[in-house]
Amino acid sequence: KNEVEQSPQNLTAQEGEFITINCSYSVGISALHWLQQHPGGGIVSLFMLSSGKKKHGRLIATINIQEKHSSLHITASHPRDSAVYICAVWANNDMRFGAGTRLTVKP
Amino acid sequence: NAGVTQTPKFRVLKTGQSMTLLCAQDMNHEYMYWYRQDPGMGLRLIHYSVGEGTTAKGEVPDGYNVSRLKKQNFLLGLESAAPSQTSVYFCASSYVGTALHFGDGTRLSIL
Repeated sequence: KNEVEQSPQNLTAQEGEFITINCSYSVGISALHWLQQHPGGGIVSLFMLSSGKKKHGRLIATINIQEKHSSLHITASHPRDSAVYICAVWANNDMRFGAGTRLTVKP
Repeated sequence: NAGVTQTPKFRVLKTGQSMTLLCAQDMNHEYMYWYRQDPGMGLRLIHYSVGEGTTAKGEVPDGYNVSRLKKQNFLLGLESAAPSQTSVYFCASSYVGTALHFGDGTRLSIL
């Protein structure tokens, strides 16, 4: 079993829909990252969380340390949000990644 | 402001050859990381550094060596390349407890 599990693996949405991507982990962590990887391959860091909630534009990330769970929400989704979203945790002086969620937003 | 720069962007090696990947950052970040990304395996941490002169192993360190002689540079070496090391390699940097800044990646093929 992976230490970091993401769901869903694939997600197709219509433009304007509210999107939720989930990340569960099984180890104690010091930080959790949400990353975005576009089809061209470049990786951008969206959020780093150790507690609570963060918001940047249409993106919201939350983390529940007790439940070992984080969610990434996208409000008013747009085709340019189409990408792979990756959850990563920093634990025990190592970083482990989820397999990613491939999001496609159709116009 | 270049951010994180990886060189080279592409390279083809023969089995047994050696090479060094260079990562340079101009943000004065303490932490630097090397990852590999393989289809079906996702991203995996190879080695990282928490400061000049320090290195540590990540999840998949075997077959790689690293050095951080200067704060702005983190080198990843393959002493004797193997086909299993065919991958896309990403470097990243950060301050302590902050977001990661990634380079554009190096596509490495080993024949």
